[in-house]
Amino acid sequence: DTAVSQTPKYLVTQMGNDKSIKCEQNLGHDTMYWYKQDSKKFLKIMFSYNNKELIINETVPNRFSPKSPDKAHLNLHINSLELGDSAVYFCASSQTSGINIQYFGAGTRLSVL
Amino acid sequence: AQKVTQAQTEISVVEKEDVTLDCVYETRDTTYYLFWYKQPPSGELVFLIRRNSFDEQNEISGRYSWNFQKSTSSFNFTITASQVVDSAVYFCALSGGSYNTDKLIFGTGTRLQVFP
Repeated sequence: DTAVSQTPKYLVTQMGNDKSIKCEQNLGHDTMYWYKQDSKKFLKIMFSYNNKELIINETVPNRFSPKSPDKAHLNLHINSLELGDSAVYFCASSQTSGINIQYFGAGTRLSVL
Repeated sequence: AQKVTQAQTEISVVEKEDVTLDCVYETRDTTYYLFWYKQPPSGELVFLIRRNSFDEQNEISGRYSWNFQKSTSSFNFTITASQVVDSAVYFCALSGGSYNTDKLIFGTGTRLQVFP
């Protein structure tokens, strides 16, 4: 079983649409994250949740809204998609908040046309 | 502010050569953690190592070794006898400090190409 799984792996959509990316971890971890990797491979954190509570919210447009129905899931919803949102989005999880090893999913490549 | 610099954008070697990937970090914190992750062509991010700021012992894992030197704020990664399967983008990352200890600050990555 994949420890951190994201769906879909690829997402192609038109500008202005709303889309969601789902993430699930089966490691029993308390903390989950979303990172964005741009076209130059630069990775930057967007959000982190610990036991369904928002811990980190970097400077991300309001069009991005994370939702954590339970501690094993952290979904990312994006409204009114823009060309600049095209990137690879990675979900990760760690045992607890604090300095722990973060285990990453395989990534979701989002292409906005 | 925290920052990670990987000055080598791309490195090409021939199989069986040894290669060192450099990582220099900046932080004002006394407690912090350093990480290396591998991103193979398939795209996933694979954890390789975590090192805390109080442990400067070098680490070896098979063909991989890491050299942590606080005096030069460096955490370099050496692959001995490189193989084609080592071809990937390697990221160094930093975490820690008074706030947002969850946050990994990544370097820009070094693309390693190992040719047969």
